[in-house]
Amino acid sequence: AQKVTQAQTEISVVEKEDVTLDCVYETRDTTYYLFWYKQPPSGELVFLIRRNSFDEQNEISGRYSWNFQKSTSSFNFTITASQVVDSAVYFCALSGHLSYNTDKLIFGTGTRLQVFP
Amino acid sequence: DAGVIQSPRHEVTEMGQEVTLRCKPISGHDYLFWYRQTMMRGLELLIYFNNNVPIDDSGMPEDRFSAKMPNASFSTLKIQPSEPRDSAVYFCASSFEGEATGELFFGEGSRLTVL
Repeated sequence: AQKVTQAQTEISVVEKEDVTLDCVYETRDTTYYLFWYKQPPSGELVFLIRRNSFDEQNEISGRYSWNFQKSTSSFNFTITASQVVDSAVYFCALSGHLSYNTDKLIFGTGTRLQVFP
Repeated sequence: DAGVIQSPRHEVTEMGQEVTLRCKPISGHDYLFWYRQTMMRGLELLIYFNNNVPIDDSGMPEDRFSAKMPNASFSTLKIQPSEPRDSAVYFCASSFEGEATGELFFGEGSRLTVL
């Protein structure tokens, strides 16, 4: 069975603090993909990143970085120097591999991040 | 370029009424997904289509729910009869097999309240 666990339900930080959102997954697939999505207060889901199971290199995109460790089945997300606009619910998701580029996503329960000025 | 379009954005109805939610995927996308988001259960996949054909409806909660995709540019999710526990935000998403990022593009959601 596939499962995604985001143990942190809510995190509050003050602007400019660094914050890490944890994600732990379970799967029996050898090929799989991991995602992070952001859901701002407006409600839409915004894609942030997808990583495949064969690529354990950390990824950095501006203030965002992701740490993928197969040994611990984790795909953590760090926001450096957080800003008020980062306030949102962040979802980690795991694919049930459908085809090369399309995935049936299993979502975690989300972590609500509040960044205070 | 228009994204995934869902309607209505908000729906309030009474228990027992039929509800129809609509989705227009991004042109050219060959996968369409319906998700439901509630506080208790988070984001759940209800059903998905590939080239207009339903592939997996194992997430559909019960027979009161049905989904159709009569053509590549339109899908509906119907609840009949509706119940208060169906209150949720329903998201439609689409994707394209040829998109290297594997991104699912989500609509803004339809918030359903069943009284």
